[in-house]
Amino acid sequence: GIQVEQSPPDLILQEGANSTLRCNFSDSVNNLQWFHQNPWGQLINLFYIPSGTKQNGRLSATTVATERYSLLYISSSQTTDSGVYFCAVADSNYQLIWGAGTKLIIKP
Amino acid sequence: DAMVIQNPRYQVTQFGKPVTLSCSQTLNHNVMYWYQQKSSQAPKLLFHYYDKDFNNEADTPDNFQSRRPNTSFCFLDIRSPGLGDAAMYLCATSRGGTYNQETQYFGPGTRLLVL
Repeated sequence: GIQVEQSPPDLILQEGANSTLRCNFSDSVNNLQWFHQNPWGQLINLFYIPSGTKQNGRLSATTVATERYSLLYISSSQTTDSGVYFCAVADSNYQLIWGAGTKLIIKP
Repeated sequence: DAMVIQNPRYQVTQFGKPVTLSCSQTLNHNVMYWYQQKSSQAPKLLFHYYDKDFNNEADTPDNFQSRRPNTSFCFLDIRSPGLGDAAMYLCATSRGGTYNQETQYFGPGTRLLVL
């Protein structure tokens, strides 16, 4: 089955810094989503991005499907950006296959 | 606002005592999912419904059952909770067109503690 790898596993930054999170996947996919899970457990969908580039405020994401990776950019980090960022993909099946996540800590 | 609601947010139960978690949605989505998430891990899919069509993951324990009486509600029943079932339980929905190509929307989760 498809393998999803995220890097780095942990990231600690000062408020205001920029960051790039990476998601590599082992096969072609129809569906790639980025999620943010806040410290209270709420999972928020950030982007549905099987290919191309999208931006939403300080966050943007790019997926290069032919090279099987996706990047999530966070600019001007705020403490509320802390949490775990998950990348998840689906192939021809319905099930999302999740990466292990990147734990981000933004220090004030 | 359209949303996915889970109740209760925190549930404490005793070892072996049945417990039911509930999920409701105002998005009018056809697909509803139940995930289990243990600390520091990614969510693990337990089952999903496409409308009333139930789909059980192969490795979901028999101790877990689910009901979807109508489009808006879905329940997770844990018949005899063990200590290993303590986790966050997440409900999600998706619209249900080509649903492997859709965004999933998550509720806030129910954190289950088994004593």
